[in-house]
Amino acid sequence: DAGVTQSPTHLIKTRGQQVTLRCSPKSGHDTVSWYQQALGQGPQFIFQYYEEEERQRGNFPDRFSGHQFPNYSSELNVNALLLGDSALYLCASSLGGQGIGGTEAFFGQGTRLTVV
Amino acid sequence: AQTVTQSQPEMSVQEAETVTLSCTYDTSESDYYLFWYKQPPSRQMILVIRQEAYKQQNATENRFSVNFQKAAKSFSLKISDSQLGDAAMYFCAYTDNDMRFGAGTRLTVKP
Repeated sequence: DAGVTQSPTHLIKTRGQQVTLRCSPKSGHDTVSWYQQALGQGPQFIFQYYEEEERQRGNFPDRFSGHQFPNYSSELNVNALLLGDSALYLCASSLGGQGIGGTEAFFGQGTRLTVV
Repeated sequence: AQTVTQSQPEMSVQEAETVTLSCTYDTSESDYYLFWYKQPPSRQMILVIRQEAYKQQNATENRFSVNFQKAAKSFSLKISDSQLGDAAMYFCAYTDNDMRFGAGTRLTVKP
C-alpha cells in the first residue's frame, strides 16, 4: 500500500504564476482534503473533495481551486501566486464523504511551495 | 468558529520520563472528534491518538493517553516512558466536519 502520495515534493514559482499540486489518496479512500501549513504554524484547512465535488471549504480566496478525478486523485490549483502562498501543502485522504471526523485521515508528505 | 489552542510552543522531557502536552478548544457542538498528530522532520503527519467526544473513557494507545475533559474543553496528551523517537512537532486537532489544528508543540527528548 503506497499510502498518500503527493507531487512534486518541492516547487519554486514566481509571484503571479499559477501552480498545480497533485495528490493520490491511499488505496480504498475516496475523500481528499487539502491543507496549507505555513512555517511554524499548524495546518489550515483549504477544502475537501468527495465524489468529484468540493464539499467543504475553509477561509481561502477563490485563487485556490481544486479538482477530484474519477480515480479519487486530486489537484490543488493556485492562481496569481503571492509571496504569502509559500508554505507546505498537505493532502489527506479518508473514507466516506461525511467529513473526516469518524475516519482516520492519512496524510502525504506534502509539497513545499516557495514563491519568489 | 471552532478554535484550537496549544499554549506550549516547546516542551522538553528526559528519556524514559513522562510529559504532558496541553490543548484546549472552543466549540458549540456536542458531537465531534479530537486528535493528536505527530509531525517529524519528514513532514508527514502521523495520527497518534483519537478521541470521540461522546465517549467518556479516555483513549489510550500504548505509551500515549489523553485526558479529555469535555466540560472544560480540554484535551491533553500524556506520553509515558518517552523515547528519542518521540521528538517531533505535536498538533492537537478538532473536527466536526473540517479539521482545525492548533499551532503545535515542539517536543524535545533528552537522552
